Amino acid sequence: AQSVTQLGSHVSVSEGALVLLRCNYSSSVPPYLFWYVQYPNQGLQLLLKYTSAATLVKGINGFEAEFKKSETSFHLTKPSAHMSDAAEYFCAVSGRDKLSFGAGTTVTVRA
Amino acid sequence: SQTIHQWPATLVQPVGSPLSLECTVEGTSNPNLYWYRQAAGRGLQLLFYSVGIGQISSEVPQNLSASRPQDRQFILSSKKLLLSDSGFYLCAWSGQGELFFGSGTQLSVL
Repeated sequence: AQSVTQLGSHVSVSEGALVLLRCNYSSSVPPYLFWYVQYPNQGLQLLLKYTSAATLVKGINGFEAEFKKSETSFHLTKPSAHMSDAAEYFCAVSGRDKLSFGAGTTVTVRA
Repeated sequence: SQTIHQWPATLVQPVGSPLSLECTVEGTSNPNLYWYRQAAGRGLQLLFYSVGIGQISSEVPQNLSASRPQDRQFILSSKKLLLSDSGFYLCAWSGQGELFFGSGTQLSVL
């Protein structure tokens, strides 16, 4: 079975600082991996996805993630945080017919 | 283009009352459909998914049920709500290898 673990339930960064959200996966087959963002009281929106092509994946809003098979990781980064990045972020891995999500990481951005 | 509609946006129900949340998808046929729940601080929990009309897979035994009476309609129900059913419910459909989510229903059971 596929699963993901997000390290850190809360991350606080200063505006303009690096955003780093950690995700490790477990999968018995080559995984498809995803990062989603959720703003308060809204549904989830796809930031980016890895589907076995390039290991460095660029997404929307300046985010990117790198697939590292040796570390079973898919960490999300953004070089410079903006106030609008304050949200909850979910890592997910695809299994047969469904995605399994991590517990989420809440990002707060300090002015 | 494909769109997903979920309603109502908010709902306050007394304990023991029934529940019906509806989700419809437009612009695609035979989608896989999903119901997720978010409880405070607990991430996303997959409740049910469906790969076709009348085909429902339950992930977690609980007080809820799901039905898919039409190809693009997915309904989440309960005969008697419990306090623990409170949460944010999300419907989703899958396509192009990713999930597309509705805007969610905030359910408060009092």
